[in-house]
Amino acid sequence: AQSVAQPEDQVNVAEGNPLTVKCTYSVSGNPYLFWYVQYPNRGLQFLLKYITGDNLVKGSYGFEAEFNKSQTSFHLKKPSALVSDSALYFCAVRVSGFQKLVFGTGTRLLVSP
Amino acid sequence: DTAVSQTPKYLVTQMGNDKSIKCEQNLGHDTMYWYKQDSKKFLKIMFSYNNKELIINETVPNRFSPKSPDKAHLNLHINSLELGDSAVYFCASSQPSGTGGSNEKLFFGSGTQLSVL
Repeated sequence: AQSVAQPEDQVNVAEGNPLTVKCTYSVSGNPYLFWYVQYPNRGLQFLLKYITGDNLVKGSYGFEAEFNKSQTSFHLKKPSALVSDSALYFCAVRVSGFQKLVFGTGTRLLVSP
Repeated sequence: DTAVSQTPKYLVTQMGNDKSIKCEQNLGHDTMYWYKQDSKKFLKIMFSYNNKELIINETVPNRFSPKSPDKAHLNLHINSLELGDSAVYFCASSQPSGTGGSNEKLFFGSGTQLSVL
């Protein structure tokens, strides 16, 4: 069965510092990997995806993520955090040929001024 | 000009009641979903419809019945509500692969917070 793990419930970072939100996955086929962000009282918003090609993918709001097949990871990164980046971040995976997107448990990012 | 809209935003009701949540998307997508987010923010798919046809039913109690009158609407009816049904329910839509779009990118509504007392 496909699954994703987000090992950190919360990540704290000071504004201006780089941030990393971790995600590892477990699938039996080729993974399609995604990051979504949820602001308070809102639905999830798509940030970026990895399907194939370059392991470093760039997304919305200056975020990027690196696909690492050997470590089965897809960590979300940003070079310089903003207070407005504070939100709940979800990693998700879908296996080629299957419709279902499976989400991780979410990581709360708190960026302090 | 909301892309995926759900109503109501909040729903407070007693155990045993029957309630419905409505969802509409104006993106022209073929696929729609219902997700449930529990109090720990864990997000789990419940149902998926593609062009009015049920394609995913994730072992959800049969008290939950989705209905898709057309591909722009996917409503969720819940019978005999239980305390454990309290959660935030999200509707989402996407465009299937191979149709010029990608069902990898989901567009979510802003959620319906259901509280069963």
